[in-house]
Amino acid sequence: GAGVSQTPSNKVTEKGKYVELRCDPISGHTALYWYRQSLGQGPEFLIYFQGTGAADDSGLPNDRFFAVRPEGSVSTLKIQRTERGDSAVYLCASSLTLDLTSSTDTQYFGPGTRLTVL
Amino acid sequence: AQSVTQLGSHVSVSEGALVLLRCNYSSSVPPYLFWYVQYPNQGLQLLLKYTSAATLVKGINGFEAEFKKSETSFHLTKPSAHMSDAAEYFCAVTGYSSASKIIFGSGTRLSIRP
Repeated sequence: GAGVSQTPSNKVTEKGKYVELRCDPISGHTALYWYRQSLGQGPEFLIYFQGTGAADDSGLPNDRFFAVRPEGSVSTLKIQRTERGDSAVYLCASSLTLDLTSSTDTQYFGPGTRLTVL
Repeated sequence: AQSVTQLGSHVSVSEGALVLLRCNYSSSVPPYLFWYVQYPNQGLQLLLKYTSAATLVKGINGFEAEFKKSETSFHLTKPSAHMSDAAEYFCAVTGYSSASKIIFGSGTRLSIRP
């Protein structure tokens, strides 16, 4: 069975450009999460989806960041007018349910997309 | 707001020695706590989690962690380090209002000396 996949694995862009980062979760997983991991830091929560809807987007840093999951499976994180400070590894994860405190459920992480803004 | 603090950004131990990675939490309500591991060039994976069923939690690869409310700690241990344990380890806690929002610590890099 395939795990969580993310494309591209690396993305280099210029300041001011628009980028899209894609996440393919494990099939059948209801919940999908986006995190950002800067160098030397732990993952920082951005947003999570339950099905097609964003259940909590409180971690999105500003309105340049937007994420969608139109069919409840694949998700795209969109960043407009990129800034050098957006450079980081963007991680996606999925889980069967929303209850990560359950003894039977956990998040499965993808390998990440490394975004570099020049 | 809930948070975790990992003491020591880098820990180095000899192969076969005890591994101890420290994590303290801050929470106004009973927390749910996690340890994740990130091997080089691999995705994050769950080592273990505390969900109040038992204070001593056993995880994968011989790791375990003990929840100590009096010390607000959830330290990760392994009796005997192996070279393959070299990785980045993250302590994490659920957010106050949601069992789905994970707040991560800044991580501890574990190195193993031959």
